Amino acid sequence: NAGVTQTPKFQVLKTGQSMTLQCAQDMNHNSMYWYRQDPGMGLRLIYYSASEGTTDKGEVPNGYNVSRLNKREFSLRLESAAPSQTSVYFCASRGLATTGELFFGEGSRLTVL
Amino acid sequence: AQSVTQLGSHVSVSEGALVLLRCNYSSSVPPYLFWYVQYPNQGLQLLLKYTTGATLVKGINGFEAEFKKSETSFHLTKPSAHMSDAAEYFCAVSEREAAGNKLTFGGGTRVLVKP
Repeated sequence: NAGVTQTPKFQVLKTGQSMTLQCAQDMNHNSMYWYRQDPGMGLRLIYYSASEGTTDKGEVPNGYNVSRLNKREFSLRLESAAPSQTSVYFCASRGLATTGELFFGEGSRLTVL
Repeated sequence: AQSVTQLGSHVSVSEGALVLLRCNYSSSVPPYLFWYVQYPNQGLQLLLKYTTGATLVKGINGFEAEFKKSETSFHLTKPSAHMSDAAEYFCAVSEREAAGNKLTFGGGTRVLVKP
């Protein structure tokens, strides 16, 4: 009964370092998303993948790249981390129905020094 | 583009009192509407949603929300607050024909429940 699994849960980086956040879902969902959460700003969409093999930019894509490795997995990469990327990152997935809910992972807390 | 406004980033209520969290959206066509709750150090989970039909929607943990098209609102209420309701609440909207089925979230309202 895993749902959406994100790794790592915590990470500290120095400015300029790179890292990849991993996300996997076991609900056979088509769509997957990466959001970042910052105080007072709610969740903002970074990138999404409507289906396997496609990815699109969201509201705040600058400084990030994504890979939809297969139907289950959707990774988020920071090539050169900046302090402005300090945030909590959430992966989510959703089925085919436009009325369907998003299922979220537990989040990855990233600090860039 | 869609936008969602939640009035009040923090709300403090006494245990047993009414909880009222406000949400307004901007859209010419009524979207699908959602309320999510986030407990400390956890992901978001769905409280309730409106897609079509009855405008008063009931969710988990005694919460309900009413869709008012004329006011472009989807306010969340609970008649009697419990200590366990202390959390952050997010309103979200999804366009009916949005590519990628994206959800747009409001800024969130953190609820504090006083004994």
